[in-house]
Amino acid sequence: GENVEQHPSTLSVQEGDSAVIKCTYSDSASNYFPWYKQELGKGSQLIIDIRSNVGEKKDQRIAVTLNKTAKHFSLHITETQPEDSAVYFCAATTSYGSARQLTFGSGTQLTVLP
Amino acid sequence: DAGITQSPRHKVTETGTPVTLRCHQTENHRYMYWYRQDPGHGLRLIHYSYGVKDTDKGEVSDGYSVSRSKTEDFLLTLESATSSQTSVYFCAISESGTSGSNEQFFGPGTRLTVL
Repeated sequence: GENVEQHPSTLSVQEGDSAVIKCTYSDSASNYFPWYKQELGKGSQLIIDIRSNVGEKKDQRIAVTLNKTAKHFSLHITETQPEDSAVYFCAATTSYGSARQLTFGSGTQLTVLP
Repeated sequence: DAGITQSPRHKVTETGTPVTLRCHQTENHRYMYWYRQDPGHGLRLIHYSYGVKDTDKGEVSDGYSVSRSKTEDFLLTLESATSSQTSVYFCAISESGTSGSNEQFFGPGTRLTVL
């Protein structure tokens, strides 16, 4: 089955700096890669996603890049703010459009220092 | 916020006792999922449902069973709880079909401690 590795496990940045979180996946058939943000004591929320037919996607301060050849994808957050502090999870699935059995990475605790 | 509630939100139980966690949705979404979250492992799928009475196993299904008798409710049962099942359990829902959103909406979680 799919295996997703996520790095780093913890990341501290100064407010205003950029943050990058990286994930690798094992199954070349994976075709959908979402990123979720989990704030303390809450369930995870989708912040951005990308399909395998796209190399990059941006949404304001957040961007995701996908390299299918290397089987890795990354989350980029620019101009970080204290409210960006949370745990971020990457995920992958081969089942876009049907039962979406996501395989998640182990998470990155991002801390934005004021 | 998607209408997903989980009950109970916190539970402490003893080894060997049965435990049932409930997930309730008001969104009429077809798919429902149970995950467990543990440090260093992220979210791991236990079971999922693709319709009433239609369920399947996920990555870590041993020791767990599920039931879905109504669209809105998805129950997770630990027949005989063990300390290794101490975790935070999250329910999620999603829409169906290639035209539907792929987003999974997560509930607030249930923290289960097995002593």
